[in-house]
Amino acid sequence: EAGVTQFPSHSVIEKGQTVTLRCDPISGHDNLYWYRRVMGKEIKFLLHFVKESKQDESGMPNNRFLAERTGGTYSTLKVQPAELEDSGVYFCASSQGSGRIYEQYFGPGTRLTVT
Amino acid sequence: KQEVTQIPAALSVPEGENLVLNCSFTDSAIYNLQWFRQDPGKGLTSLLLIQSSQREQTSGRLNASLDKSSGRSTLYIAASQPGDSATYLCAVGSLDYGQNFVFGPGTRLSVLP
Repeated sequence: EAGVTQFPSHSVIEKGQTVTLRCDPISGHDNLYWYRRVMGKEIKFLLHFVKESKQDESGMPNNRFLAERTGGTYSTLKVQPAELEDSGVYFCASSQGSGRIYEQYFGPGTRLTVT
Repeated sequence: KQEVTQIPAALSVPEGENLVLNCSFTDSAIYNLQWFRQDPGKGLTSLLLIQSSQREQTSGRLNASLDKSSGRSTLYIAASQPGDSATYLCAVGSLDYGQNFVFGPGTRLSVLP
């Protein structure tokens, strides 16, 4: 069974540009999460999809970040325009359900560098 | 606000030792806790998931315990090996914070051959 995949693995962009990150969850997992780790900080939650609906987007830092999950399959996270403080590693995770019995499975992450 | 801490921040042990990693959380209203390992430049690998109703979970040489009332979880690694070297993260699923995790800062473990 394929795990959670993320693309690209690494992206270097200039301040003010736009970047789109993609996450493909494990097949059949309705729940998809985005997290990020910025330099020297803990991993922080960004948002949670259940199928194509945003269940919780309380962790999104500002309106420069837009997440979508059309059709309830893969998800994209767009940063527009990117700022220096957006640099970090963006992780995607998926789970079969939500709640206490469900593990979250993480992808390898996308390292974003904004120069 | 849920806060998660991990002690120690870093640990270096000789191969073969048994060791304990600690995770503490401030809000005991949790629904689960998950331990992960992260290798340099890689994603997170799930190790163990403990539900709020459980006190421990075991997988091979790993044993994780949970004491909700005291806000603590420990990850016990038996007979450590150099391949265990990684950063270990605990993540707490809190009832007041939706279905997402609050992560600790991690413990960086080095097992010396």
